Order: sequence, then structure tokens, then C-alpha cells
Amino acid sequence: DTGVSQDPRHKITKRGQNVTFRCDPISEHNRLYWYRQTLGQGPEFLTYFQNEAQLEKSRLLSDRFSAERPKGSFSTLEIQRTEQGDSAMYLCASSPLNSHTNTGELFFGEGSRLTVL
Amino acid sequence: AQTVTQSQPEMSVQEAETVTLSCTYDTSESDYYLFWYKQPPSRQMILVIRQEAYKQQNATENRFSVNFQKAAKSFSLKISDSQLGDAAMYFCAYRRRAGNMLTFGGGTRLMVKP
Repeated sequence: DTGVSQDPRHKITKRGQNVTFRCDPISEHNRLYWYRQTLGQGPEFLTYFQNEAQLEKSRLLSDRFSAERPKGSFSTLEIQRTEQGDSAMYLCASSPLNSHTNTGELFFGEGSRLTVL
Repeated sequence: AQTVTQSQPEMSVQEAETVTLSCTYDTSESDYYLFWYKQPPSRQMILVIRQEAYKQQNATENRFSVNFQKAAKSFSLKISDSQLGDAAMYFCAYRRRAGNMLTFGGGTRLMVKP
């Protein structure tokens, strides 16, 4: 499977615990995005990487959230001291940088669902 | 800031019939992309159709077509010959051509009745 993969698919945690999600983008894609989606809503942008550089962060990304893409390949999204309001689906997406292959489309993974008790 | 609005939280269509999902957006840009994504239950989001703003011709992909009205900032999706597998959440999305991210609408849940 050469699509975007995310792990774990579902995480249940207690309030105050830390959680980490991993995303493996499509291999030739330079751009990687994290979105958050709450039930019945559209995805909201969290952050964006071009290769290893984090170029944009949403105001939604509080200081408890940190994202990395250390080698420009996979990315991790860590949430520290989780709160019940963090319960959501965390979506990862990737896209190519090359203008010849970039149709503007994002390719999404299946998401990591977080439930904070 | 760009915003995308989907005014229909839910729509229902009879199998084999046609349904139109609405989307409006707000932008001051002239060059951008518009997309419709489909998200089946517990499945990943997949692209249905895309439109480039500089193209006047409406995009078509098999049973899916759009009505792109640039001046009105409207971008509706028409699904012809609806099938049970079309049941899903549908999201309209916008991206500046020079931008880096998609802005999504709130979604429309489409139900297909057999």
C-alpha cells in the first residue's frame, strides 16, 4: 500500500496523559499536513511541513501540541496533558511539491481517532 | 481569510436519481482550486472532483460534475444516477494556488435510499 498511513488508528487515554500519533506520507511527497476533525465537522488545519521544515501552524495548535518531521519523511504529532476537548480525529495528508505533479490535491490517511476520558 | 460554507447538513436521494450539493466560498484571490472530497464512514477522505478557478469549463468525472460560478463564488456538486456507495460525508474545499493548505466546509451528509 503506497498511500498515507497513520498509527495508531484509535487511541483511548485518560485526561492528563500524553499521546503521540505517527504519519507516513506517500514517499515522493514533500509536503505533509495535520488536520483535526471533530464529529460532524469539516477538517481544520493544524500544521504543515515542507520536507523537515514546519512552515505554518494554526492558532488551534496550542502549546500542548507539538509536531515534528525530523528527516523529512514520517511525522509525529504529540499532545501533552490531554484534555477532553482534544477528543477528535487527527488526519494526516501529503502532497507533492513539484508543480508539474501538484494538482493542488491533498492525499489523506485514514486518521487517528483520539478519545480522552 | 478564506471561508467555505456548506448550507445543507444532510441530503437524501433515491437510488438512480440526481442530487446537487451546495457550496459557497469567500476569497479575494483570483487563482485557486476548488475540490469536493468524499468521506465514507470510518474511511479515508478521497478526492471526487477538482476545479481550477481560471478554467471556465465545469469539471466532470463520470457521474460527478460541478457547477462553478466564479462571480457568485459558488461551487455545487451534482451526482447523477446515485448509487448506494455514494452515501458519505461530502466536503467542499478551497485552496489558493500559491497557498499550502485546504480550507474545508462543514460537510454535507448524503444518504442514498434504495
